[in-house]
Order: sequence, then C-alpha cells, then structure tokens
Amino acid sequence: GNSVTQMEGPVTLSEEAFLTINCTYTATGYPSLFWYVQYPGEGLQLLLKATKADDKGSNKGFEATYRKETTSFHLEKGSVQVSDSAVYFCALRNTGGFKTIFGAGTRLFVKA
Amino acid sequence: DAGVIQSPRHEVTEMGQEVTLRCKPISGHDYLFWYRQTMMRGLELLIYFNNNVPIDDSGMPEDRFSAKMPNASFSTLKIQPSEPRDSAVYFCASSPARRTGSTDTQYFGPGTRLTVL
Repeated sequence: GNSVTQMEGPVTLSEEAFLTINCTYTATGYPSLFWYVQYPGEGLQLLLKATKADDKGSNKGFEATYRKETTSFHLEKGSVQVSDSAVYFCALRNTGGFKTIFGAGTRLFVKA
Repeated sequence: DAGVIQSPRHEVTEMGQEVTLRCKPISGHDYLFWYRQTMMRGLELLIYFNNNVPIDDSGMPEDRFSAKMPNASFSTLKIQPSEPRDSAVYFCASSPARRTGSTDTQYFGPGTRLTVL
C-alpha cells in the first residue's frame, strides 16, 4: 500500500541554518507529492507540491525535488527563520485518487 | 474568502455524551474531508465526500462515528457515545472541483480540539 516516512523530530536549528527534512514514500503508479505546514493552533496548509518525477516544488524559500529513483521528496531551506517553527508533513496522493496519505510530521524549532 | 470554518474550536465533554462537530467548506469546493489528529496515530483520514455523497468511509473507526453532508455548504461529524480515546483534534478540509481548480490541494480548517473526560 501507499505510505510516507519522514524523519522524526523535533529538529532544532539556529536562525539562518540550513534545513533538511527527509521524506521517502512507497506508492503504486505515479503519485503527486506534497509538503504541508502546520503552525501552532492552526490547520495544515499547502507549502509546495510536485506532480511528476524531477519536478521541483518551491515556496517561501523552501524547495523539494521529486526523485523517483530514490522515492524521495526531501524538504530544504537555505536559511531558516524563527517564523518557520512549525510541524511539517510530507504527503502523497495517487493519480486519479483523492485520498492523501500523510507522514507523521516533523516538528521544527528555530532559535533566535 | 473565509476559508474552511469549523465549530466549535474546543469541546470538552464527558464520556457517554454525544458530540457534534461542524464544518463549512470553501464555497465552490466539491470535496470535503474529515481527519483526526493525535500524537499516537498522526493524521488519519476518516471519511470524504464528493458533491455531498460519502465516497470512502473506511477510516471511520467504528459505528459510534457518523458523518453527514446535507448540502454543499455544511457537514457534521457525530460521535455517539463519546469515549476518552476519541480525544483528538478533528480537521475538516475541502478541495475544488476538477473543472474549477486543482483537486490536488486540500484547504484545512483550524480544527476542533475534542476532550472527552
């Protein structure tokens, strides 16, 4: 079946540090891949997405590249800010389906 | 646009009581999803609707849970009777119809934090 595995948190970084949150997936077919972010007390919101192999999704300085050969979609940001502190969810949705499978989430703390 | 609206934001009830959670999706969205989030199990899809019709309820934990969507602008998730293990944050999300936008993206409400004592 479909599944998403992401690195356990929490991840604690200092402001302006480089961020990587690993995400790998298992899926049949050619899924779309997503990163959602959840700020304290709020619902999830889409951060970026990629719909086919080698696509790069980007938003707000975050990037992730759809790597079919390694079944990965790692999230990166070159310089994090305190305001990036949140929980990040990797997710996939198979073509033609509407069920989105979410990873367990990775909590990020950024210290000033 | 007001986004997805959920009520109440917080609910505290006693075991055995009926709980009703409410959701108003974004206008024009044809898909509505109910999720449950807990520390132990993460984010779980409970049920989703398309054009007010339940499509997949395989994630509903047991018969104590039921969901309805009487019209395009309103859905409820009911738990009867409630149990302490139902304590969680319940999210509603909606997605546009294919003809009007990308169905890839789900728009989440702020959630209802349910505590069953």
